[in-house]
Amino acid sequence: QKEVEQNSGPLSVPEGAIASLNCTYSDRVSQSFFWYRQYSGKSPELIMSIYSNGDKEDGRFTAQLNKASQYVSLLIRDSQPSDSATYLCAVNDQGAQKLVFGQGTRLTINP
Amino acid sequence: DARVTQTPRDKVTEMGQEVTMRCQPILGHNTVFWYRQTMMQGLELLAYFRNRAPLDDSGMPKDRFSAEMPDATLATLKIQPSEPRDSAVYFCASGGTGGLTEAFFGQGTRLTVV
Repeated sequence: QKEVEQNSGPLSVPEGAIASLNCTYSDRVSQSFFWYRQYSGKSPELIMSIYSNGDKEDGRFTAQLNKASQYVSLLIRDSQPSDSATYLCAVNDQGAQKLVFGQGTRLTINP
Repeated sequence: DARVTQTPRDKVTEMGQEVTMRCQPILGHNTVFWYRQTMMQGLELLAYFRNRAPLDDSGMPKDRFSAEMPDATLATLKIQPSEPRDSAVYFCASGGTGGLTEAFFGQGTRLTVV
């Protein structure tokens, strides 16, 4: 069973600080990695995709991928209360052609 | 704008009744996923289709759940008979072809079985 592991949190970060969310995965051949944000009572929303080792930046968000360590992370700079949500890491299972999701990390940004 | 559309948004039903949830994937997407989300279990994959053909439905209780794609614009998830433990939010998501594809979620159907 291919697995994606995340710390369930809750993770509390003061407003304006950097929030760091981490994810590890078991399938060594995975090539595609995604971060979804889910507000309470809403559906998951795709916020970042990353396919190559290194960093990918989009506004205040940076995704980092290290395939050798089977590790993907999401950094949120200048955290805002509106960033408070559950963040889901997803990894593409190449063989089964489906996404495998972690359990999600609940993030709270404190004003 | 392109989005996955699910109906109904909310459904309250009595135990033993049939429930049908519908999903319209994003036009051009050929992969459709059905997920169930509860506080305890998180996001569970129930079934998924590519080009309308079922690829895997091992996540579904076979005796009461069924999923179909009668055409490229409609996917259905049916529960018969429904039970209180089926109460959850059911999400449909769609994606394109290829191994790198991401998935886009619909708004979900909140099902309550009493």
